[in-house]
Formats: sequence, C-alpha cells, structure tokens
Amino acid sequence: KAGVTQTPRYLIKTRGQQVTLSCSPISGHRSVSWYQQTPGQGLQFLFEYFSETQRNKGNFPGRFSGRQFSNSRSEMNVSTLELGDSALYLCASSLDQGAGQPQHFGDGTRLSIL
Amino acid sequence: AQSVTQPDIHITVSEGASLELRCNYSYGATPYLFWYVQSPGQGLQLLLKYFSGDTLVQGIKGFEAEFKRSQSSFNLRKPSVHWSDAAEYFCAVGATGGFKTIFGAGTRLFVKA
Repeated sequence: KAGVTQTPRYLIKTRGQQVTLSCSPISGHRSVSWYQQTPGQGLQFLFEYFSETQRNKGNFPGRFSGRQFSNSRSEMNVSTLELGDSALYLCASSLDQGAGQPQHFGDGTRLSIL
Repeated sequence: AQSVTQPDIHITVSEGASLELRCNYSYGATPYLFWYVQSPGQGLQLLLKYFSGDTLVQGIKGFEAEFKRSQSSFNLRKPSVHWSDAAEYFCAVGATGGFKTIFGAGTRLFVKA
C-alpha cells in the first residue's frame, strides 16, 4: 500500500508570494492533517480535514488555509508569505477523525522563503 | 491545558546499551499516547500507541513504552540500541478541543560506536 505522498518536496518562494502544497493520503484514509515543523517551535498543528470539511484548526493566521477533495486528497495554501513561514510542512493521514487515531506521515514539503 | 514535555533535548548512548526516553503529559482524562520517530529528511513514523488496558505496550523496532498514570509519564525504552536508531523521537498526546495531536519538543538520540 502506498504511503502518504506530498508534493513538491522542496519549494523556494519570496516574501509576499503564495504557495500551494499537495498531499495524497493512504488509500482508504479519510482524515488529513497538516503540521508545520520548525527548529524553534517544533511540530505545530495547522488543521485537520475529514469528509471535505475542516474539523479542527490550530493557532495559525488566516493566511494558512486548506481544503480536501472528494478523493480525500488535500491541499494547503499559504498566502502573502513571510520569512517566518520557512518550515517543513508535514501532512498526515488517518483512517478516521478523532484524537485516538494513529497518523501516517508523508516526508514533507520543505518551504524556504527568501 | 493539554501538554507534552520531553525533558531531554538530546541523549547519547553507546551501541548495545539500553535506552529510556522520558515523556510527561498533562491531560484531564485517560489520554491517547503515542511515540513517533523521525529520521533526517523524512516524516514521522509511528512506533507505538497507548489507549487503554495493559500499561506496557510493545511497538515496532524492539521499542516498548510504559504508561504510569500516577506519574503522568509514558517513557519509551529499548533494551539494546542499534546505530540505526539514531533519530529524533517525539512523544504525543491525542488531544480534544480542536488540536488533534499535541507533540512534545522531541529528543534527539545519538548513538556512539
């Protein structure tokens, strides 16, 4: 069974631009969560989507948004990029929503802002 | 508020020695607890999870963890470390209230020959 696939693996953008990251979950998994990982802040939860609806949201500004499609694939968008948005963005899928669900992570998209 | 604390930022052990990584959590009820491992340039991989029942849980790669409610701890152990275990380890609690999962800051494990 294929794992969680994130594209692209690396991305370089400049301040003020916007970016879209993509995540394909494991087949059959209906929940997709996004995390931001930085050396200073560690792993921070961004949001979770289930059945095309945002179910949970972390403490990030409205510049960070996402969506989920009917095939469970998800995209994350960041607008008006700032230097502080440089990070590894991880996507994780699970069979169902809920706090007890083990998550399967992709290898991430490393976003660098110049 | 729910939180996870990993007191050790990094640990160095000799190959073949035993390992214990510490994790303390703050949660109002019986938590869902996880340990994940992250190798350089990769995402996180689930090592083991605790939901209820037997407080000693077995995971992959020879790891185990013990849930101690009285100490609010969920320490990860391995009897004999291999060089390939060098990685960063994250303890996590499945959270309610909208945050899905709260991760600890991680403990980086170095293995010396």
